[in-house]
Amino acid sequence: DTEVTQTPKHLVMGMTNKKSLKCEQHMGHRAMYWYKQKAKKPPELMFVYSYEKLSINESVPSRFSPECPNSSLLNLHLHALQPEDSALYLCASSRDRSNYGYTFGSGTRLTVV
Amino acid sequence: GEDVEQSLFLSVREGDSSVINCTYTDSSSTYLYWYKQEPGAGLQLLTYIFSNMDMKQDQRLTVLLNKKDKHLSLRIADTQTGDSAIYFCAATIQGGKLIFGQGTELSVKP
Repeated sequence: DTEVTQTPKHLVMGMTNKKSLKCEQHMGHRAMYWYKQKAKKPPELMFVYSYEKLSINESVPSRFSPECPNSSLLNLHLHALQPEDSALYLCASSRDRSNYGYTFGSGTRLTVV
Repeated sequence: GEDVEQSLFLSVREGDSSVINCTYTDSSSTYLYWYKQEPGAGLQLLTYIFSNMDMKQDQRLTVLLNKKDKHLSLRIADTQTGDSAIYFCAATIQGGKLIFGQGTELSVKP
């Protein structure tokens, strides 16, 4: 298995909703990442998890809350989002923080209404 | 700070070769990646090169690395209309980060 799987593929949520994005990999990778991407722009790093511990938070607003329940799973909990948070949210993993084998999922397209 | 730069647009005719260039600033980058992104889709890993290599070939794709000049290129031979997409160059930096270029939009005309 050489994939990163993200669910759901599309999500529409209101500004008062709480939702979660999920990411799963079975490549034995020990580093996992959340990125945010606006249309025709490069992805922007949000969070880095290394060996299930949060190692980097790129000053992301607290309405985004990451969670790494185990070495294969990464969640992003969403609460009280704004319309400008609408974007493609990409999960990625790599063997470790050496960045070998950096693989992205197909993303969750989030629309905040 | 660390930076990766790419030209924004490239237009070629079907059957020609495409060359997409990228420069980066962090000399300690160990892996350099090329990703392809089609409209509405995620990032597809095309290829990568380790910093101690100067060339890597994979079917129609050739990656050249000039570490002294911190210059990376992706050559696509016999470019097809299905190759039309945005191509991102990315360099690894310490701490698990990937720094992306702005992306090169490749347009292939029949």
